[in-house]
Amino acid sequence: GAGVSQTPSNKVTEKGKYVELRCDPISGHTALYWYRQSLGQGPEFLIYFQGTGAADDSGLPNDRFFAVRPEGSVSTLKIQRTERGDSAVYLCASSPQGIATYNEQFFGPGTRLTVL
Amino acid sequence: AQSVAQPEDQVNVAEGNPLTVKCTYSVSGNPYLFWYVQYPNRGLQFLLKYITGDNLVKGSYGFEAEFNKSQTSFHLKKPSALVSDSALYFCAVRDGNGGFKTIFGAGTRLFVKA
Repeated sequence: GAGVSQTPSNKVTEKGKYVELRCDPISGHTALYWYRQSLGQGPEFLIYFQGTGAADDSGLPNDRFFAVRPEGSVSTLKIQRTERGDSAVYLCASSPQGIATYNEQFFGPGTRLTVL
Repeated sequence: AQSVAQPEDQVNVAEGNPLTVKCTYSVSGNPYLFWYVQYPNRGLQFLLKYITGDNLVKGSYGFEAEFNKSQTSFHLKKPSALVSDSALYFCAVRDGNGGFKTIFGAGTRLFVKA
């Protein structure tokens, strides 16, 4: 079946611009995660959704970052006033977990964001 | 706070030899432990996990990992390495007492030489 998809695969923007990154999780997966992966590092947790609500947004670095999942499926990560330090690969993952937190996550291919 | 350490940036092993990729963790509650693999130009893929029970867990592609509570370790192992195992491996931990955040290590690059 279809896996997690992310669009765009690459995004180049200028400092100060606004960007949106989209994630389509596996159908039926209620849990959705966003991560940021910088070169040479592991994925860094940003936010977790259970259904439509953000159950844990403690990883968002500052108020320029925001994410939504209005219908409990597709999610959009929004970054305002981008900075060069925001350049990274943004990963989305989904999981069928419900209230069980031990299910593995299924990752998308990521969006490579470059801020010039 | 949760944390994961992968002390080796790179592990080199000859094809056919056993391999070990090390991981230690810190978590306040019971740990849920995971290994993921990242092949070039592909997304992260799940390999195996420890939730409870038998300390030795088996996963995909012949990999296994041993949970050691006293040493807070979860090392990844394979009895006989293949060149195709060459990839980037990530250890991850989640607090099993209701936590949702998953913390990943920095990754270990495995290079298997023919």
